[in-house]
Amino acid sequence: DTAVSQTPKYLVTQMGNDKSIKCEQNLGHDTMYWYKQDSKKFLKIMFSYNNKELIINETVPNRFSPKSPDKAHLNLHINSLELGDSAVYFCASSPSSTSVANTGELFFGEGSRLTVL
Amino acid sequence: QKEVEQDPGPLSVPEGAIVSLNCTYSNSAFQYFMWYRQYSRKGPELLMYTYSSGNKEDGRFTAQVDKSSKYISLFIRDSQPSDSATYLCAMDKGNKLVFGAGTILRVKS
Repeated sequence: DTAVSQTPKYLVTQMGNDKSIKCEQNLGHDTMYWYKQDSKKFLKIMFSYNNKELIINETVPNRFSPKSPDKAHLNLHINSLELGDSAVYFCASSPSSTSVANTGELFFGEGSRLTVL
Repeated sequence: QKEVEQDPGPLSVPEGAIVSLNCTYSNSAFQYFMWYRQYSRKGPELLMYTYSSGNKEDGRFTAQVDKSSKYISLFIRDSQPSDSATYLCAMDKGNKLVFGAGTILRVKS
């Protein structure tokens, strides 16, 4: 049973399209995240939700809109895709919003590889 | 300048070698230091974390923090081909982590 699962694993789409990525965790964690990893492997936080409430919103374009229907699910919708959005998007979860900075307990999904043509 | 700097490599070593992976950082407020391993086409997984300065050992892995130099290291003893992966360091900033760009390690049998 996969702890953090995200779908789809691969997306190839044209510029200007809209796409969504879904994430689910079965670890019972309170906090979920979206990270973006660019071609140089640099991993940067985008959003974090704690028990469905948005707690971290980095300087991400408004075209990116996260949604957390419950604490086990976190989705990411991207409007008007641009070439620079091509990256691997990782969903992650942690037991709490405070524990991650102390223990690094962050559980990642396998990533969703987005290619914008 | 990025807050966390890490040489991207790749670092190629023969099986059995001792590997040293390093990160430097600029923010003296960082107190917790983590190492993650990321296999190709997978998400990162936590290897170890340390608090403040000092060493921590876990099997073949040793994490070392030198806060005075703003320098952290991960040593891998008796490296194995299965250790081939990207290693990312990370540090605490408020309630989130700041990651280095990762070092690609290749262990050749």
